[in-house]
Amino acid sequence: QSALTQPASVSGSPGQSITISCTGTSSDVGSYNLVSWYQHFPGKAPKLIIYDVSKRPSGVSDRFSGSKSGNTASLTISGLQAEDEADYYCCSYAGSSIYFFGTGTEVTVL
Amino acid sequence: EVQLVESGGGLVQPGRSLRLSCAASGFTFDDYVMHWVRQAPGKGLEWVSGISWNSKSIGYADSVKGRFTISRDNAKNSLYLQMNSLRAEDTALYYCAKGTVTKYFDYWGQGALVSVSA
Repeated sequence: QSALTQPASVSGSPGQSITISCTGTSSDVGSYNLVSWYQHFPGKAPKLIIYDVSKRPSGVSDRFSGSKSGNTASLTISGLQAEDEADYYCCSYAGSSIYFFGTGTEVTVL
Repeated sequence: EVQLVESGGGLVQPGRSLRLSCAASGFTFDDYVMHWVRQAPGKGLEWVSGISWNSKSIGYADSVKGRFTISRDNAKNSLYLQMNSLRAEDTALYYCAKGTVTKYFDYWGQGALVSVSA
């Protein structure tokens, strides 16, 4: 078992778009369209922002979008805002009641 | 309103045991998979364990398999995590999370802090 790989940090200026990658294997990300993304502020409960690769829960800004190609999923934040500065985690189902989170990405708004 | 409230955290010596509880409300508890997710200090989120609505499907991360046991009491709307043979590396904030049919976590508690130290 191994965590999915994300870049440790990504930064952008307000208004720009950034993309966070989430690389797994053919046994997890590549096998299931069951990738989700979470926004996490330290000390707070994580918040679901994308599920089923590209679906957004009600109330989540449409500036957040998700996609997947092969063993890599991606989260794009468009029109970056100061309030987007947080940690972001992907998660994939891996079969047999097992899940893997990504290593996490710290987003900085310059 | 969905609420998940963890309890049972604390300071414990290596090798000892601790039991976490999660009280759920605001949804039909016995319709959903439930999970434990943890975050060690300075580290990322780590899925720990999950249990199906009827307790027949259970999964564990390799890091806790054989030491931790997840369980639930649907009559009490409660989820549990029995943690045995605790190690320093188990020190973390432990979140209870509600699962879904398509394998994501839509609601989270605020977490229970577990510290393992001599």
